[in-house]
Amino acid sequence: KNEVEQSPQNLTAQEGEFITINCSYSVGISALHWLQQHPGGGIVSLFMLSSGKKKHGRLIATINIQEKHSSLHITASHPRDSAVYICALQRQWEGVRDMRFGAGTRLTVKP
Amino acid sequence: DAGITQSPRHKVTETGTPVTLRCHQTENHRYMYWYRQDPGHGLRLIHYSYGVKDTDKGEVSDGYSVSRSKTEDFLLTLESATSSQTSVYFCAISERDSDSGELFFGEGSRLTVL
Repeated sequence: KNEVEQSPQNLTAQEGEFITINCSYSVGISALHWLQQHPGGGIVSLFMLSSGKKKHGRLIATINIQEKHSSLHITASHPRDSAVYICALQRQWEGVRDMRFGAGTRLTVKP
Repeated sequence: DAGITQSPRHKVTETGTPVTLRCHQTENHRYMYWYRQDPGHGLRLIHYSYGVKDTDKGEVSDGYSVSRSKTEDFLLTLESATSSQTSVYFCAISERDSDSGELFFGEGSRLTVL
C-alpha cells in the first residue's frame, strides 16, 4: 500500500462548483503539503500543514492528524483552477529529502 | 516566486547519448534536489545536494549522476540515456532539510529519449 493515497485521480467540475480533493496517509508525519501543477508548468506550493486548517483565497486545506487524512477544498471553482493537485508528506523525524508524494488529482473545471 | 531556472526545458535525444540538465537558483538555498515525474507515480527523488560538492543518492538514482560545483548550480547527467529515462525532471530547492523545510520547484525539463 502506498504511504500517500489521493482521491479521486481525476475530477471534472462545472465552473462555480465546490471541489474537494482527498489525501490519506499511513505514517506519522511532521507536515503535509499541497502542491499545484498547471499543464506543462512548474509546481507551486499551496499549503504546508501540520494541524487544523489554512485558507488562502478560495482554497482551504484541512488536516486531521488522528485520522491521517487531509482535504483540499476549492470554493467557487474557475477554469483557471484546472491543474494537477499533489499531496506530499514530510514523515516524522525525516527531512525534505524523504518527502513522499501522491500521484496527484487531475482537476478540470469547465466553463 | 523562488528564482529557479531549469535548462533545457525540452530535449529530444537518442538512446546512448549523454544528457545534462541544469538547475540554477538565485535564492542561495543550501539544499537542491532532482526529481523525476512519471504518469501514475508521485515525484521520485533522484539525487540531492546538501552543499557545494556534497551530494547523495535518492530513491531512483541508477543511471544518473550529479554535480554541484557552486551553490547556485546543480547538474543532473545521464551518462548514456535510455528510453526508460524519458520523463519530466524537476529541480527543487529548500533552505532546510529538516521537518519544517519547504520545497520550491523549477518549471521542469521534459526529456524524450528515442
